[in-house]
Amino acid sequence: GNSVTQMEGPVTLSEEAFLTINCTYTATGYPSLFWYVQYPGEGLQLLLKATKADDKGSNKGFEATYRKETTSFHLEKGSVQVSDSAVYFCALTRSSGSARQLTFGSGTQLTVLP
Amino acid sequence: DGGITQSPKYLFRKEGQNVTLSCEQNLNHDAMYWYRQDPGQGLRLIYYSQIVNDFQKGDIAEGYSVSREKKESFPLTVTSAQKNPTAFYLCASSMSRQSTDTQYFGPGTRLTVL
Repeated sequence: GNSVTQMEGPVTLSEEAFLTINCTYTATGYPSLFWYVQYPGEGLQLLLKATKADDKGSNKGFEATYRKETTSFHLEKGSVQVSDSAVYFCALTRSSGSARQLTFGSGTQLTVLP
Repeated sequence: DGGITQSPKYLFRKEGQNVTLSCEQNLNHDAMYWYRQDPGQGLRLIYYSQIVNDFQKGDIAEGYSVSREKKESFPLTVTSAQKNPTAFYLCASSMSRQSTDTQYFGPGTRLTVL
C-alpha cells in the first residue's frame, strides 16, 4: 500500500538557518506529492505540490523536488523565519484506480527561534 | 470569500451521545473528505464523497456516518459506537476525483468527549 515517512521532529532552528525536512514515500503507480503546513489550532494549507518526476514545487521560499529514483520529496528553505513555525505534512495521492485517497506522513513540528 | 467552513470550532459532548459536525464549502467542488487528526499523528481518512448522494468509507469509518444530500454540504456524525472520539476533525474538498487536484481544508473542529 501507500505510505509516507517523514523526518521525526521536533525541529528547532534559529532565524535565517537552512531548513530540510526529509520525506520518502512508498507507492505503486505515479503519485502526486504535496507538502501541507498547519499553524497552531488551524486546518491544513497547501504549501506546494509536484505531479510528476523531476517537477519542483515552490512557494514562499520553500522548495521540494519529486525524485522518483530515490522516492523522495524533501522540503527545503534557505532562510527560515519565526513565522514559519508550524507543523509540516508530506502527503501523496495515487494517480490510478477509482478510490481517491490522500496519504499523510505523521508531520514534523518546526520551531524557529528569533 | 470562497472557502470551507466548519462549525463549531470546539465541541464538548458526554460519552454515549451522538454528535454531528458541520462542513460547508462554496468552492463548487465535487469531492469532499473527512479526516481525523490525533496528537503527533498524520491525518487519517474517515469518509469521502466524490459526488452528491454517494460516499465511500475511508481507513477508519467505524463509528462514523456521513451524508451528501447537497453538493456544498458534507456533515459527519460521530456515533456512540466510536470508541475514542476525542480528536481534531478536518473537512476538505477538491474540484474532482483527479489525483492531481489539490485538497483544500477547513479550519477544523476539536471534539472532546467527557
